[in-house]
Amino acid sequence: QKEVEQDPGPLSVPEGAIVSLNCTYSNSAFQYFMWYRQYSRKGPELLMYTYSSGNKEDGRFTAQVDKSSKYISLFIRDSQPSDSATYLCAMSTPNTGNQFYFGTGTSLTVIP
Amino acid sequence: DTAVSQTPKYLVTQMGNDKSIKCEQNLGHDTMYWYKQDSKKFLKIMFSYNNKELIINETVPNRFSPKSPDKAHLNLHINSLELGDSAVYFCASSQGVHQPQHFGDGTRLSIL
Repeated sequence: QKEVEQDPGPLSVPEGAIVSLNCTYSNSAFQYFMWYRQYSRKGPELLMYTYSSGNKEDGRFTAQVDKSSKYISLFIRDSQPSDSATYLCAMSTPNTGNQFYFGTGTSLTVIP
Repeated sequence: DTAVSQTPKYLVTQMGNDKSIKCEQNLGHDTMYWYKQDSKKFLKIMFSYNNKELIINETVPNRFSPKSPDKAHLNLHINSLELGDSAVYFCASSQGVHQPQHFGDGTRLSIL
């Protein structure tokens, strides 16, 4: 079983829709959670970074962590065609040094 | 003023050759990484260096050898290239443990 599971999609939504992206994980020691956006032929770009449980909001993006269910989510409000990309979740524990475990990414297309 | 830059962007070479990929970051970070991303977009850490010292060395063939001449640079040398080495290799950097990583745009390696 992989440390982090993420539905690869593809996910296709109309412009203006609310998008929900999710990851599940097996290691209850994960404390640091990140979401990255990766455009085609580019490197991953950090969107959100949270520690432990709770919600964090930044503009149209909201990250949620539910440690009891080992489940994290990224919500995108008022989705735009420029949001079309692959979204990767990543997480680490306090005991794994700088090692982050990544999901395989969800491919999102926002249709104008 | 690119934060993490890798060269070359594309590398096409024959099986059995030796090649190097260079990475430089101008963010003042103390930790640098090499990741391999396969055709299914799975991002897996290979090496991590903190202040020029190796701190993570995942199970990769010893044909792969990282070298960090200083905190701002981390190079990757690959000997006796094999077909299975075809992938996108990403360099990343972060400031401190558990801090989000900033990625370069990748080096696309194709083995003929």
